[in-house]
Amino acid sequence: DTAVSQTPKYLVTQMGNDKSIKCEQNLGHDTMYWYKQDSKKFLKIMFSYNNKELIINETVPNRFSPKSPDKAHLNLHINSLELGDSAVYFCASSQALNYGYTFGSGTRLTVV
Amino acid sequence: GESVGLHLPTLSVQEGDNSIINCAYSNSASDYFIWYKQESGKGPQFIIDIRSNMDKRQGQRVTVLLNKTVKHLSLQIAATQPGDSAVYFCAENRGGGADGLTFGKGTHLIIQP
Repeated sequence: DTAVSQTPKYLVTQMGNDKSIKCEQNLGHDTMYWYKQDSKKFLKIMFSYNNKELIINETVPNRFSPKSPDKAHLNLHINSLELGDSAVYFCASSQALNYGYTFGSGTRLTVV
Repeated sequence: GESVGLHLPTLSVQEGDNSIINCAYSNSASDYFIWYKQESGKGPQFIIDIRSNMDKRQGQRVTVLLNKTVKHLSLQIAATQPGDSAVYFCAENRGGGADGLTFGKGTHLIIQP
C-alpha cells in the first residue's frame, strides 16, 4: 500500500485554468503538508495542516488553497494558473509537527 | 533567505568508497534535523534524523553528525553503491516545527563504477 499517494502524477494545463491535486495518506498521521519543488530542485513549504489548523507560507499566492475533508486528505486547489506555477508539487505527512515526513511521489504540473 | 545550505551541488565518488555530504544551517533554534534522499522522478525519502540533544546517530551504512557549535550537519555513507546515486537534502525543523521543515538546496551524489 502506498503510504502517501498523490493524483495525478502529471498535469498539463493552460494558463488561466483552475486545477486540483489530490493527496491521501494511510499512515494515520496528524499533520499534512504541501511542498513545491522548482526546476533547481529547491523544496519550499507551501502549507502545513494540523488538527484543522492551517499554517500558510506567506509567499504563497492566494490562488493556492488547501482543502482537507478529513485527517487523511489534503487536496491542493489552484486558481487562474500561471506559467510560473509549473513545478513538481509534493504532498507529505508526519506523525506530529516535529517528526520526519513521508512524501508522496509528486505531481509534475506544467502550465502552457 | 535559507538557513540551510550545502557546500557542494555535485559530489562524485567511486563505488565502494565512503561519501560525506555536508550541510550548514544558521538557525540556532533548530532542534531537529533530517537527511532525505531523492531519486529521479520520486519523492524525497527519509534516510536518518537527529535531534539537537545528540551529536551522532548511526543507521544502516549511514551516519549523521551534528556539530551545534559551528551549525554543521553531515551525512556519511559507507561503501557507496550505485543505488546511492540521488540528490540528498538536509532539512531542519526550527523549534516547534509549526512552519514545517526547511530544506537545503541538495547535493547530487554521482557514483562512478
